[in-house]
Amino acid sequence: DAGITQSPRHKVTETGTPVTLRCHQTENHRYMYWYRQDPGHGLRLIHYSYGVKDTDKGEVSDGYSVSRSKTEDFLLTLESATSSQTSVYFCAISDIPGGVGYYGYTFGSGTRLTVV
Amino acid sequence: TQLLEQSPQFLSIQEGENLTVYCNSSSVFSSLQWYRQEPGEGPVLLVTVVTGGEVKKLKRLTFQFGDARKDSSLHITAAQPGDTGLYLCAGMNYGGSQGNLIFGKGTKLSVKP
Repeated sequence: DAGITQSPRHKVTETGTPVTLRCHQTENHRYMYWYRQDPGHGLRLIHYSYGVKDTDKGEVSDGYSVSRSKTEDFLLTLESATSSQTSVYFCAISDIPGGVGYYGYTFGSGTRLTVV
Repeated sequence: TQLLEQSPQFLSIQEGENLTVYCNSSSVFSSLQWYRQEPGEGPVLLVTVVTGGEVKKLKRLTFQFGDARKDSSLHITAAQPGDTGLYLCAGMNYGGSQGNLIFGKGTKLSVKP
């Protein structure tokens, strides 16, 4: 009964192919975020959403696009996957901008993506 | 650009020892959060500190926010193997159309029995 789920959990794809990762929440939170986590770089923001069809770029948005057609779903698309996009991708949700407050961000369990 | 520097990067200690992890920045933050992440999982919020000089305790974990709101520390007393994990600090970034969190690179803690 997790409030946030990511799919798939693992994926291997070939260079140049498009890939879509899905984040689904049941908390009805307004804010959703996509981060990537890499050794030596920590968690870096890719894109985020502050409502249906409202999105903004983060620190490392090149090569990625997002869509949010429903409150509960936030999709991350790698338009043409490259080896540099091999990473662990995390989705997070919050009901307050920046998660400031008692509950902070709630993170999904991540998607491990390998681009070969 | 706001940055959060965490130290040390790695820490390996024996059960029962005390330790302190630091999170520093040259920027002022309105609040700081601490998360713990276990292998194969997403980070989980431990605490949010908001007021300069604030001290919060969570069982054996003590969190402090610096007076100038530029730094924070996490102190663990009598560490246990269950404390093993990646500890991340995060601060509010007001860039972009909405606020979002920026994260330090983390401190990887290993507590050996």
